Amino acid sequence: GEDVEQSLFLSVREGDSSVINCTYTDSSSTYLYWYKQEPGAGLQLLTYIFSNMDMKQDQRLTVLLNKKDKHLSLRIADTQTGDSAIYFCAESMGGGADGLTFGKGTHLIIQP
Amino acid sequence: EAGVTQSPTHLIKTRGQQATLRCSPISGHTSVYWYQQALGLGLQFLLWYDEGEERNRGNFPPRFSGRQFPNYSSELNVNALELEDSALYLCASTPFLGDTEAFFGQGTRLTVV
Repeated sequence: GEDVEQSLFLSVREGDSSVINCTYTDSSSTYLYWYKQEPGAGLQLLTYIFSNMDMKQDQRLTVLLNKKDKHLSLRIADTQTGDSAIYFCAESMGGGADGLTFGKGTHLIIQP
Repeated sequence: EAGVTQSPTHLIKTRGQQATLRCSPISGHTSVYWYQQALGLGLQFLLWYDEGEERNRGNFPPRFSGRQFPNYSSELNVNALELEDSALYLCASTPFLGDTEAFFGQGTRLTVV
């Protein structure tokens, strides 16, 4: 079945770059997403990438997709304390958000 | 533009009772999705409504049900509550049927004691 794997924790120093990694198993995934969840809040869609793209950049965020290895990463440049949250990777073949498969999330911890 | 809103923010119920959770999608969005985020289990898809119809449901028992109203708002009902139903219930909306770019609400924290 479909599976999305992420590391549970990542600790970085303020000002450094954070790289959050994700692997997925469904080769027919068409859309890949990164969501951010701050404590006590819902999910905020950060960015997404189509499977025919290798990279997408949006201000401090860079998404890299290696379709051959089914590996997705989110790089946050100049990490700030406000970036402290859980980051979820999700994949979908399209056709509705019921088809979204989420990873269990990576807790990003910022050290001063 | 207002985002997806959910109420109540927190809900405490006793085992065996019923819980009703509410969601208002972003204005103009017709599809509403419900997800359960239980500790250690990640996000699990529960139900999908579009134009008042149930389009799909996840692997949950029938005591999880819901509906969508003509104004596209939605209710999630959980009957015969069990302790394991304690979770954050997230509602999401998309602009149209089949869209995957989902916008989430802040969730309802349901605690069953």
